[in-house]
Amino acid sequence: EAGVTQSPTHLIKTRGQQATLRCSPISGHTSVYWYQQALGLGLQFLLWYDEGEERNRGNFPPRFSGRQFPNYSSELNVNALELEDSALYLCASSPTEFTDTQYFGPGTRLTVL
Amino acid sequence: KQEVTQIPAALSVPEGENLVLNCSFTDSAIYNLQWFRQDPGKGLTSLLLIQSSQREQTSGRLNASLDKSSGRSTLYIAASQPGDSATYLCAVRPGNTGFQKLVFGTGTRLLVSP
Repeated sequence: EAGVTQSPTHLIKTRGQQATLRCSPISGHTSVYWYQQALGLGLQFLLWYDEGEERNRGNFPPRFSGRQFPNYSSELNVNALELEDSALYLCASSPTEFTDTQYFGPGTRLTVL
Repeated sequence: KQEVTQIPAALSVPEGENLVLNCSFTDSAIYNLQWFRQDPGKGLTSLLLIQSSQREQTSGRLNASLDKSSGRSTLYIAASQPGDSATYLCAVRPGNTGFQKLVFGTGTRLLVSP
C-alpha cells in the first residue's frame, strides 16, 4: 500500500511569491492534515480537510490556505511568502476523522530567500 | 492551551544502553498520546499510541507509559542500537477539541553510537 506522498520535495521561493505544495493521501483516506515544522519549533497544526471541506485551521494567517480535491488529494497555498515561512511542511492522512492515528508523508522543505 | 515539552532536547549514548525519553503536557484532558520517530528527510512514523484510559504500551524494545493525572509520559528504549538514531516526538490529541488535531513537543534528538 502506497503511503502519503508529497511534492515537491524541496521548494525555493523569494519573499512575496506564492508557494503551492501538494499531498496525496493513502488510498481510502478522506481526511488530510497539514502541519508546519519550522526550525527550532515543534510541529504546528495548520489545516484539516475532510470530504472536500476545510474543517479546522490552526493559528496561522489567512495567507495560508488550501483545498481538497474530489480524489481527496490536497493542496496547500502560501501567499505573500515571508522569510519565517521557511519550514518543513508535513501532510498526514487518516481514514476518517475518528481514527486514532495519522499517517505522515515525507514533507516538503520550503525555503524562502 | 495545551503545551507539550520534551526533555532532553538531545541525547547521545553508546550502543546497548537503556534510555528514557520524557514528555510532559499541561492539560490532562487528552484523548490519547503518541510517540513518533522522525528520520532526516522522511516523515513521521508512529511508534506507540496510548489511549487516555491506558497506562502503557509495548512494542518490541519500546515501552511507553502514561500518567495522565501528572501530565507525563515516558518512552523507554531497551538495548539501544545505532538504527535507533532519530528524533523522537511526543504528541497529544486534546480531548476537548472534537477533532484529530495533534499537539507536538519539540522532540528529542537521539544519537546511538556503535
